[in-house]
Amino acid sequence: DTEVTQTPKHLVMGMTNKKSLKCEQHMGHRAMYWYKQKAKKPPELMFVYSYEKLSINESVPSRFSPECPNSSLLNLHLHALQPEDSALYLCASSQASGRAIYNEQFFGPGTRLTVL
Amino acid sequence: GNSVTQMEGPVTLSEEAFLTINCTYTATGYPSLFWYVQYPGEGLQLLLKATKADDKGSNKGFEATYRKETTSFHLEKGSVQVSDSAVYFCALNDQTGANNLFFGTGTRLTVIP
Repeated sequence: DTEVTQTPKHLVMGMTNKKSLKCEQHMGHRAMYWYKQKAKKPPELMFVYSYEKLSINESVPSRFSPECPNSSLLNLHLHALQPEDSALYLCASSQASGRAIYNEQFFGPGTRLTVL
Repeated sequence: GNSVTQMEGPVTLSEEAFLTINCTYTATGYPSLFWYVQYPGEGLQLLLKATKADDKGSNKGFEATYRKETTSFHLEKGSVQVSDSAVYFCALNDQTGANNLFFGTGTRLTVIP
């Protein structure tokens, strides 16, 4: 199984709502990532988890709260978002960083988020 | 620092035309290089990769060669199809341990029949 799944596919939420994005992989990867992608732009890294611990937070506002409950799951909790947070949110996974020659990242299909 | 510079788009080609999308990079050390493709409304798929100088990555008729002397990783395909219409991202992994991907700005390709 070389698939990363994400749910929901689409999400519309108001600025006062609380919602969560979910990501799952069963490739035995121990590194998982959240990216944000605005239209016509490359993905921007938000968070990295390595061995279920947060290793990188790219100065993301606290209204985005990541969680890694186990090695296969990654959540992104959303609260009090702004309309400018509307974007495609991509999850990815890879072997954990180390001395590997390369660690290919496998991406999920994304959740398209609209904040009203 | 690490960065990827990619050919500005959009690129429009007729079916069966030859494709080149230029990509150059700046990196510390010896990065791995990737081309990702994003079809409309979808996530990113790895198209091909190369891990060291002179390696050639290939997949689905696409090719790219890791050129250390010119710090380039240009994407080529001999005969494009309508189904190749997508956005193509060049990326590098700096292999410093954080496994971060540095993306180019992306090139939108449209192939017309």
